[in-house]
Amino acid sequence: QVQLQESGPGLVKSSETLSLTCTVSGVSITDYYWTWIRQPAGKGLEWIGIFTRGGPDYNPSLKSRVTMSIDTSNNQFSLKLDSVTAADAAVYYCARGARTVVTTNYYYDYYMDVWGNGTTVTVSS
Amino acid sequence: DILMTQSPDSLAVSLGETATINCKSSQTLLHSSFNKNYLAWYQLKPGQPPRLLISWASVRESGVPERFSGSGSVTDFTLTVSSLQTEDVAVYYCQQYFVTPCTFGQGTKLEI
Repeated sequence: QVQLQESGPGLVKSSETLSLTCTVSGVSITDYYWTWIRQPAGKGLEWIGIFTRGGPDYNPSLKSRVTMSIDTSNNQFSLKLDSVTAADAAVYYCARGARTVVTTNYYYDYYMDVWGNGTTVTVSS
Repeated sequence: DILMTQSPDSLAVSLGETATINCKSSQTLLHSSFNKNYLAWYQLKPGQPPRLLISWASVRESGVPERFSGSGSVTDFTLTVSSLQTEDVAVYYCQQYFVTPCTFGQGTKLEI
């Protein structure tokens, strides 16, 4: 059973860096793509980016401040968001990108089939 | 970016009846070579991880009840929830994954 668990500080000061980790169990992190999504209170979902075999693909709206990385030894992937403001306060989700197997070929898709429970990040002034 | 617009923003449906949620994209989500629509539907409930219901506009995820169905193509899509149950109360989102950045609709709140 695949499980994802987000962790990190629930409170970040304005202008500082938000750092979150997603711990993956039940599957090797090298076998899939991995995504971060966020949801500000009372608002909809925002795609932050995805980490693929070719490297990360970030939402242009956040690209200048975002870094995603993979830690294969600990089966984790992480998110760093620099220079946070109140607008970055949200529930942050990590999720697995779907994968389709056709005969012996793998096709990686950008919808998310397994999600973490989410972690709430508050930004203080 | 592709703009995804859902309608309605909220709706109330009686138990056992059918709920219909619409999702419209600002650009085609149909890949002509593969003949696939790059559209997914998710269910969000408080305190639970989001749940994938439908991919490729109409492919129900394993374990999702048959009362959930997806339809549509190109730019207009629909999620239908038949025989509404109390556990279907949630917010539903559509997502396009045709191009990055992936984008979501604003969500539709479904109530009894």
